[in-house]
Amino acid sequence: QVQLQESGPGLVKPSQTLSLICIVSGDPMNSGGSYWTWIRQHPVKGLEWIGFIYYTGITDYNPSLKSRVTLSVDPSKNQFSLTLNSMTAADTAVYFCARGGATAGNLDPWGPGILVTVSS
Amino acid sequence: DVQMTQSPSSLSASVGDRVTITCRASQKITKFLNWYQQRPGKAPKLLISAASNLQGGVPLRFSGSASGTDFTLTISSLQPEDFATYYCQQSYSTPYTFGQGTRLEIK
Repeated sequence: QVQLQESGPGLVKPSQTLSLICIVSGDPMNSGGSYWTWIRQHPVKGLEWIGFIYYTGITDYNPSLKSRVTLSVDPSKNQFSLTLNSMTAADTAVYFCARGGATAGNLDPWGPGILVTVSS
Repeated sequence: DVQMTQSPSSLSASVGDRVTITCRASQKITKFLNWYQQRPGKAPKLLISAASNLQGGVPLRFSGSASGTDFTLTISSLQPEDFATYYCQQSYSTPYTFGQGTRLEIK
C-alpha cells in the first residue's frame, strides 16, 4: 500500500523560502510509471496544481509559480521535495504531495497535507 | 489554462437521494477528467478517473459520465459517509486544474 507523508515547517516568514519533503513508502520511486506531484489548497482559491517530477528528474511546473518553485527527487531515499521562494501571505495554504498515475494527472494517493502559514 | 466550472457550489440532500454534480471544461479535454471526494480535514481521495473509471474500493453508487466538454458525477443513493466536498480535475494538459468544488450537505 503506497503512502505519502509531507514534512516541513508550519510557519514561514514573508520573503523566506519554503522547503517541504514528501516521503514515499510502499512504491519504489525508481520503478517508474509515477509522477510525483505537489498540490496546494488555499482557503479561498481552492486546489492548485504546483507541478510534478519524474524519478529521472524531469519536471513540469505550473506557469503561475514557475519562477519561484523547484522540485527535486532523491530515489535512493524514496522522497521528493518542494522549494518555493519569496513566500508571501498569498502562499498560505495546505500543501499536499501525491502520486500521479500513468497519465500523470490522476492523483492517488495523497499525503495528509501540511498547513503552511506565511506570517512575520 | 483549461478552466473547470463546477456546479452547484453547494447542495443539500437527504440520505437515499440521487444527486448529480456537473463540471464543464473551457475546451476539449476528451475524457481526461477525474473526480475527488474530500472530507473535512482530510486529503482528497480519487473516486473516478478518465471520466467514468471507478477506482478500486469505491462504492458502485458512484458513477461518472461525459458528453463533450460536460462531465457528471452521480451518486445514486446517498449514504451518510458521502456528505463531503467533491472536486473535478482535468488531466488533459498541464497545468492540471480543478473545479471550485461542490459541498454536499445533509438536508
